[in-house]
Order: sequence, then C-alpha cells, then structure tokens
Amino acid sequence: QKEVEQDPGPLSVPEGAIVSLNCTYSNSAFQYFMWYRQYSRKGPELLMYTYSSGNKEDGRFTAQVDKSSKYISLFIRDSQPSDSATYLCAMVKGGATNKLIFGTGTLLAVQP
Amino acid sequence: GAGVSQTPSNKVTEKGKYVELRCDPISGHTALYWYRQSLGQGPEFLIYFQGTGAADDSGLPNDRFFAVRPEGSVSTLKIQRTERGDSAVYLCASSRGAGAGELFFGEGSRLTVL
Repeated sequence: QKEVEQDPGPLSVPEGAIVSLNCTYSNSAFQYFMWYRQYSRKGPELLMYTYSSGNKEDGRFTAQVDKSSKYISLFIRDSQPSDSATYLCAMVKGGATNKLIFGTGTLLAVQP
Repeated sequence: GAGVSQTPSNKVTEKGKYVELRCDPISGHTALYWYRQSLGQGPEFLIYFQGTGAADDSGLPNDRFFAVRPEGSVSTLKIQRTERGDSAVYLCASSRGAGAGELFFGEGSRLTVL
C-alpha cells in the first residue's frame, strides 16, 4: 500500500465549476501538507501549504486537512481553462528534512 | 538565475551508457533535492543535500545512481550503465534550508534510454 493515495483522474469539468481533489494517507507521522500544480512538461509549483487540520483559503483555492481521517482536499472555485494541469498532493513528516512524499497526481481539464 | 536550472532538458542515450544531469539551484538555497518522475506518476524522492553533504540518500534505487554537490551549489546526478527502466524525468528542487518549507522545482531533465 502506498503511503499517499490519489485518484489519477482524468477529471474534466466545465469552466466555472467547483473542483474537488483529494488524497488519503496512511502514516500519521505526516505533519505538513501541500498541493502542487504541474503543467505539462514543467516542474511542480507550490499552490497551498498547510500544517494543522482545518481550512486554508487563498483566492479561488481552499485546502482542507482532516488529520483524524488522514484525508486532505483541494477545492478550486470558478475553475478556469488555465487551471488545466496535474495537481499533486504532497506531505512531509517534519524534522530537519523536506523529503516530500507525493501522490500520483490528478489530471484536471477545464473545458471552456 | 531566477529559478532552478536543469541541463540538459532532454537526453537520449543507449542502454549501458553513462549519463550526467546537472542542477543549478536558486542562489542562496542551501538545500537541494533530486526527484524522479515516471510517466503518470508523482515525483519520487531520490536524494537530499544540505550544503555539500548528502543528508538523505535513501531514495537512490541502486548503486548505479550517485549524486554530488562539491561546493554546496551546483549538483550533478550521475547514472552508470543506464537501463531502459531509468527513463523518466529527473527533477531538481531547492529550498532555503532544512525543515518543512517551500521547494522550488526546475523543469526537469527528460531521460530516454533506448
């Protein structure tokens, strides 16, 4: 069993839709949770970074962490064609390392 | 430079050959990471440098893989006796220091082993 599970999609939605992306994890040692966006043939770029359980909002993006259920989510409101990319969840156990463990990534297509 | 720079962007080689991939991190970033991303997968950790030393090399798949960072800046990932299964995108990232913080990724070096 992988430490981090993520539905690979693909996920196709119309422009303006609300998108929900999710990951589950098995190791309760994970303390920090991130969402990265990766455009085709580019490196991942950080979208959201959270530590505690709860919600964190940044513009059209909301990251949600539920440590008791070992479940994290990313919501995208008013989705745009420019949001079309692969979304990767990532998490780290903390301490003196940034050894991120990534999910498989979910490919999102927002249709105009 | 403004971001993490990786060269070459594309490398095609034959099975059994030796390959070097280079990473130039963001200036002032002391931590440097190598990840490998296969098609349809998320990045997989290979090795982490803090300064010149490899602080964690637990992700290197076998002894054909080796990485160095002699002056604490540029790093080179070296792959000996390449195999077709080594084909992937090799991503480099850097961050300001150790501990949980933002990693800045390069665009990757796409390696194809024929």
